[in-house]
Amino acid sequence: EPEVTQTPSHQVTQMGQEVILRCVPISNHLYFYWYRQILGQKVEFLVSFYNNEISEKSEIFDDQFSVERPDGSNFTLKIRSTKLEDSAMYFCASSNVLSTGELFFGEGSRLTVL
Amino acid sequence: GIQVEQSPPDLILQEGANSTLRCNFSDSVNNLQWFHQNPWGQLINLFYIPSGTKQNGRLSATTVATERYSLLYISSSQTTDSGVYFCAVEKGGGADGLTFGKGTHLIIQP
Repeated sequence: EPEVTQTPSHQVTQMGQEVILRCVPISNHLYFYWYRQILGQKVEFLVSFYNNEISEKSEIFDDQFSVERPDGSNFTLKIRSTKLEDSAMYFCASSNVLSTGELFFGEGSRLTVL
Repeated sequence: GIQVEQSPPDLILQEGANSTLRCNFSDSVNNLQWFHQNPWGQLINLFYIPSGTKQNGRLSATTVATERYSLLYISSSQTTDSGVYFCAVEKGGGADGLTFGKGTHLIIQP
C-alpha cells in the first residue's frame, strides 16, 4: 500500500541552526501539507502546497518557514533559524483531491531544539 | 475558524470493554477523518467519513453531518488500542487543511 515517508525520524539541533525535513508523498497525489504537533498538544496545520506554490498557510507559518518541491518526488520543510519553541513532531501529508479528499499522513519527524 | 470538540478527554477501560468517542464540530464540513496516534507518535488513518457509517473490524464510525457530530466505536478493546484518538475536519472550499480536535486519550488496561 502506498504511503507517505518522512526523514529524518528524529533530529536534534542547536537553537539558531537551519533544519530541513523531507517528505516523499504518495506518487499520484497532487496536494501536500505540513502539520505540527507540540508535545501533548493537538495537531496544527502549517501549510498546503499545490502546483509548486503555497495554497494556504496558517499564522504559525511565518518567515522562518519555507517549503519546496525540489524535484518530482520530494517535498521539504525548511526552518531557517530554529527556536526552542519549534521543538515538535512535524507531519507531512498528501492527498489527490483538494479539499474534501482524504489526507494520508507520514510517520512524522520529531525535531528537538536545544 | 471551525471548532472541534472531542469527548471524553480521557478514558480508562479494561481489556474487552466497548467504548464510544465523540466529536462535535461547529460548522458544516466536507471532510472528516479519525486518527489513532500510537505511543510512538505515528498518526494512523482510521476512517475517512464525512457522512454515513463505516466499519473496519472492531472499529466503526458514524458521522451525522446535519447534526455536526461523529462517533467512533471501539468494541472488545485490546491493549494495543491504547493511544490518542483524534477527529479532524475540513470545512471545504479551499486548501486550509484539517482542523484537529484535542483528542481522546484512551488507556486499555489488561
